Amino acid sequence: KQEVTQIPAALSVPEGENLVLNCSFTDSAIYNLQWFRQDPGKGLTSLLLIQSSQREQTSGRLNASLDKSSGRSTLYIAASQPGDSATYLCAVVWDSNYQLIWGAGTKLIIKP
Amino acid sequence: GAGVSQSPSNKVTEKGKDVELRCDPISGHTALYWYRQSLGQGLEFLIYFQGNSAPDKSGLPSDRFSAERTGGSVSTLTIQRTQQEDSAVYLCASSSDRPGQPQHFGDGTRLSIL
Repeated sequence: KQEVTQIPAALSVPEGENLVLNCSFTDSAIYNLQWFRQDPGKGLTSLLLIQSSQREQTSGRLNASLDKSSGRSTLYIAASQPGDSATYLCAVVWDSNYQLIWGAGTKLIIKP
Repeated sequence: GAGVSQSPSNKVTEKGKDVELRCDPISGHTALYWYRQSLGQGLEFLIYFQGNSAPDKSGLPSDRFSAERTGGSVSTLTIQRTQQEDSAVYLCASSSDRPGQPQHFGDGTRLSIL
């Protein structure tokens, strides 16, 4: 069964720290992997998308890596800020219809 | 606007009523998805439209759920004879028809069944 797991479910760190969020998936034959951010009561904001042929993607203070062989992706956030507080979701596309299979998310709190 | 638009943003209705949720995708996007986000269930895929092809309905939880997409643009998700377990946030996403492109989401419709 194709599943996506995110650990930890919640994370609280002081402002300014660098941090890593983890995502693991059960089947390495992915099309792509996407990281999203969700603020309370809001929809989903796409942060980074990594194609199966890529190893990493960067956007500002965010860097996402992909290791298909080990079934893992990490989202690295540099110099965290209180505005980074949100739930971060990892989602994987396996099928040709491109439906996203979701992790349960990591709730991140950045303490001022 | 430039993003995916969903309406209504909130809907409260009585058990047994029918509801319609609307999604207006990004202009030019041929792929459209519906997902549901429930407490304790996380996000789950419901249905996928791609151009004029037959939709992938494999994620619809029961025959009370249906969706259509008119003219390859706006989509409507209909839930008949609503039940309390239908309470959730219903999210719509669209993407371009080029393989592997990111999905862009609307703010969702929060549905509450009393």
